[in-house]
Amino acid sequence: KNEVEQSPQNLTAQEGEFITINCSYSVGISALHWLQQHPGGGIVSLFMLSSGKKKHGRLIATINIQEKHSSLHITASHPRDSAVYICAVRYFRGSQGNLIFGKGTKLSVKP
Amino acid sequence: NAGVTQTPKFQVLKTGQSMTLQCAQDMNHNSMYWYRQDPGMGLRLIYYSASEGTTDKGEVPNGYNVSRLNKREFSLRLESAAPSQTSVYFCASSERVRGGVLYEQYFGPGTRLTVT
Repeated sequence: KNEVEQSPQNLTAQEGEFITINCSYSVGISALHWLQQHPGGGIVSLFMLSSGKKKHGRLIATINIQEKHSSLHITASHPRDSAVYICAVRYFRGSQGNLIFGKGTKLSVKP
Repeated sequence: NAGVTQTPKFQVLKTGQSMTLQCAQDMNHNSMYWYRQDPGMGLRLIYYSASEGTTDKGEVPNGYNVSRLNKREFSLRLESAAPSQTSVYFCASSERVRGGVLYEQYFGPGTRLTVT
């Protein structure tokens, strides 16, 4: 079964720290998504990428296709970054091209 | 633009009761999805609709039915609710993936359903 693994499951950081969340997957994909789920429950899409690197403000997402691995970095973390970060992939084959989601990484940034 | 809206936000049902969760999007997207989210698990796809007039089963369709009423609306029905269906339900929409073109998904605010 195609799976998406995220690490760590939980992460606590001090304000200002550089944060890395990792995502690995098992077979070839056509796209990888990073999503943010706020404490209130709402889910927003942060990045969608198939190669290389994307940056938006203090957030950076990278993907290494050969190693089947992606990272989400947060620079100069802030308490408002506290949320669950979810990785999801769209596999080339199987799952009818729908997204397969990781279990999420719960980030807590302390002031 | 309201994006993706869902109703209701909260619902408590007794075992055996039925209900319909409503979802609507105003972004003219072709594809719509229903997911459930349970503690310790990733979002799981219940049903999806690639385009108006089509629906397909996802990973966990048992106990649910869906209707793609028109391009805007995609409803999820529980005919006979069971405690195992206690979950948070999310509707999402996106443009259809075609060729190498990638499209992101937009999520509704979720419906927290408890079945007692």
